[in-house]
Parts: sequence; C-alpha cells; structure tokens
Amino acid sequence: SQKIEQNSEALNIQEGKTATLTCNYTNYSPAYLQWYRQDPGRGPVFLLLIRENEKEKRKERLKVTFDTTLKQSLFHITASQPADSATYLCALYYSSASKIIFGSGTRLSIRP
Amino acid sequence: NAGVTQTPKFQVLKTGQSMTLQCAQDMNHEYMSWYRQDPGMGLRLIHYSVGAGITDQGEVPNGYNVSRSTTEDFPLRLLSAAPSQTSVYFCASGNRASTDTQYFGPGTRLTVL
Repeated sequence: SQKIEQNSEALNIQEGKTATLTCNYTNYSPAYLQWYRQDPGRGPVFLLLIRENEKEKRKERLKVTFDTTLKQSLFHITASQPADSATYLCALYYSSASKIIFGSGTRLSIRP
Repeated sequence: NAGVTQTPKFQVLKTGQSMTLQCAQDMNHEYMSWYRQDPGMGLRLIHYSVGAGITDQGEVPNGYNVSRSTTEDFPLRLLSAAPSQTSVYFCASGNRASTDTQYFGPGTRLTVL
C-alpha cells in the first residue's frame, strides 16, 4: 500500500528564517500533491496544489517543489512568523482511485 | 455559505452502541470524504464519494458504513462502536478530488468507553 512520510519530529525555527518541510512517498507517483495547514482543534485548511508535471509552485511566502524521481515534495515558508506555527500536512491524489491520502503531518513552531 | 458542517461536535459512546455522524455541505460539491485523525497518525481515509449514489472504501473502512443519497449529505455510521474507534472524525468536500480545494468540517471528537 502507499506510504507517505513527513518529518516525524517537530520543527523549531527562528522567526525570519526559512522553514522547510519534507514529504516522501513510496510506490506510485500521485497525479497531484497538496499541502494543508492544521491548527489545534480545527480541520485542515488547503494551502497549495502541485501537479506531477510541475517542478515548483509559489504563493506569497510559500513555495512547493515536486520531484517525481526522488518521490519527494518540499514545502518552504520564507520569512517565517510565529503565526505560521501549526501542523502541516501533505496529501497525495491518486487518479486511478479518485482518492486523497494524507501524511501524518509535521508540527512547526516559529519562535520570536 | 455555511461550508462543511458536522454534528455532533463531541460524543461519548459505550462499546457496542451504534451512531451516525452527520456531514453536510452547501457548496454543491461532488466529492465528499470521511477521515479519522489519531495522535501521530495523521488523517486516514475511511470512505469517500465522487457523487450522489456512489461510495467507495478508503484505507480504514472496517466498522463504518456510508451512503450518499443526496449531493449535500454524507453520513458516517458506526455499526457497533469499539474503543479503537475513539478518534477525531473529519468530513471534507470539494468539486473534485483532484485539482480542487478540499474543505474540511470542524470535526467530531468521539470517545468509545
């Protein structure tokens, strides 16, 4: 079965630095890869989507890369702020089954 | 728009009891799904639906039933609750699973004693 791995440990970053989160997957490459943000006690909120034929996508301070050879996506937050502290989840969409599978998430803390 | 709504917010059940978690969306989305979230395990897909009358199993379907009689509603039924089903349950919807934003409800926290 498909396996998705994210940084298992929490990530602690100094404010103003770039935070980089990793999402690795096994077996088949997905058609699309999505990143979500989740705050405690709330449902995930969609951030970005990248297609398998795209190398990079940007949205304001966020950047996502997708390397189907390495089977990896990187999620970057530049000029990080304490308000960016949250859990970030990657999710993979498999067109053959029309379903979205999530990783376990990485908890990010930005200290002032 | 209310978005995706879930009821109840909290529920405590005894082992063997059955119940239905409600999910509704008012955005006319075709795609709806149910996930459970346990500490350290992320979101795991239980069941999903690509349209009214169509449902399919996700990663962890055992012990749960779903139906999709209307576009708006996608209830999740626990047939005989077990302590292993203690979790936070999230419902999500989107125009399509693939390229569209998936909107999540606020979640239902279920405890099975």
